[in-house]
Order: sequence, then C-alpha cells, then structure tokens
Amino acid sequence: GAGVSQSPSNKVTEKGKDVELRCDPISGHTALYWYRQSLGQGLEFLIYFQGNSAPDKSGLPSDRFSAERTGGSVSTLTIQRTQQEDSAVYLCASSLRLRGEAQYFGPGTRLTVL
Amino acid sequence: AQTVTQSQPEMSVQEAETVTLSCTYDTSESDYYLFWYKQPPSRQMILVIRQEAYKQQNATENRFSVNFQKAAKSFSLKISDSQLGDAAMYFCAYSGQAGTALIFGKGTTLSVSS
Repeated sequence: GAGVSQSPSNKVTEKGKDVELRCDPISGHTALYWYRQSLGQGLEFLIYFQGNSAPDKSGLPSDRFSAERTGGSVSTLTIQRTQQEDSAVYLCASSLRLRGEAQYFGPGTRLTVL
Repeated sequence: AQTVTQSQPEMSVQEAETVTLSCTYDTSESDYYLFWYKQPPSRQMILVIRQEAYKQQNATENRFSVNFQKAAKSFSLKISDSQLGDAAMYFCAYSGQAGTALIFGKGTTLSVSS
C-alpha cells in the first residue's frame, strides 16, 4: 500500500508568516508523529497522536507550533509567525500501535524561512 | 532521560566489504526497543532493522544484522557485502516504556566506494 505522504515537499516563506504542513499516514495506522530535523539539533520529537486521545505535545518548541489530526487520519502541523530558526525538515511518521512498533516516515517537508 | 550516542560521524567502506556502525545508549529501563534507520540523500527515512530488548537473539534483515549487548547498552549495525546503494546517513534510535517518541542519535554518514 501507499506509504506516508507529506505536502508540500518544499516550502519557502517569509519571516512572520504562518505555514501549514500536511501529513497523510499509512492507512490503518493509529499513531502519528511529527519530528524536526535540523543541522544543529539533529532529529527532535515534536508531537504525537494516538487515535482520538489527547496528543502528547511535550516536544513542541514554542506556542507558535500547533498540530491537529482530523478523523484519526490526516494531520496538519501549523507554525505561526515563522522565525528563521524554524528552518528545518519536518518529518511525519506513523505506526500501527503505540509502543515498540516501527515508525514509518514520510519524505518530509523542507521549510525555509527567509 | 534516555540518550543515544553514535560516536562515528563518518564511515567509509569498499563495495562488497563489511562495515560496522556503532551505537550506545543510556537508559534505566529494562524493556525497550532499538532501531536502525537509513536516510539517503532523498531524505526518506527507511527502517533497516528493529530489536526488542527482551529478546536475546540479534535481529537480522538480509545483509544487515545487529550486535545487541544489553548489559553494555550497545547496539551496533553490521552491513555485509556493502553496495553503492547503502551510502546514506544511518540513525540509531531508542523507544522506551513511557513515551513513544523515538530518541535518535546524531547519525553516521556512510560512504561506499567502488
């Protein structure tokens, strides 16, 4: 079946603008994760969703970051008032169950904030 | 807090040879999962291998195998009969009891020469 898809592939925005990044998980996967990958910080966890439970937002770096998951499927990561330090690759992953299952990643969205 | 350390920022290997990538981790948990992911220049993170900590047997996937030493908290990846397509960044990752987010090492860039 289809893997995790993300859109857009690349996004260039101006400092101060809002951006929305989309993730479509693998069908049937109940858990969905967002990570950020940057040169200086490596791979950082941002947020995860499990079914209809309240998400774990413990990795979000500031209140400018938020995410939602509609209908237990598609997720949108929103960054408000973007800053240059938000420039990174944003990776989405999904898995079948919560604990210990392998996570399958999408191709990522490269965000560049000018 | 759990940490994952990959002490080799870069490694190189000749085609058809064998290479071992190192990973150590720190945890006080007894039940956890370890993973190796491959990230080629295309940016897509690909699962290479998964190990359950309570299993003594080392995981293998075709040319990829691990040497899991639980007492030493070591989880190295061996790639046999290296191929040009193995060139990528390799990440070691940990998933523990409390959270489901993967904790990643900084990665090892593997180059393969013919």
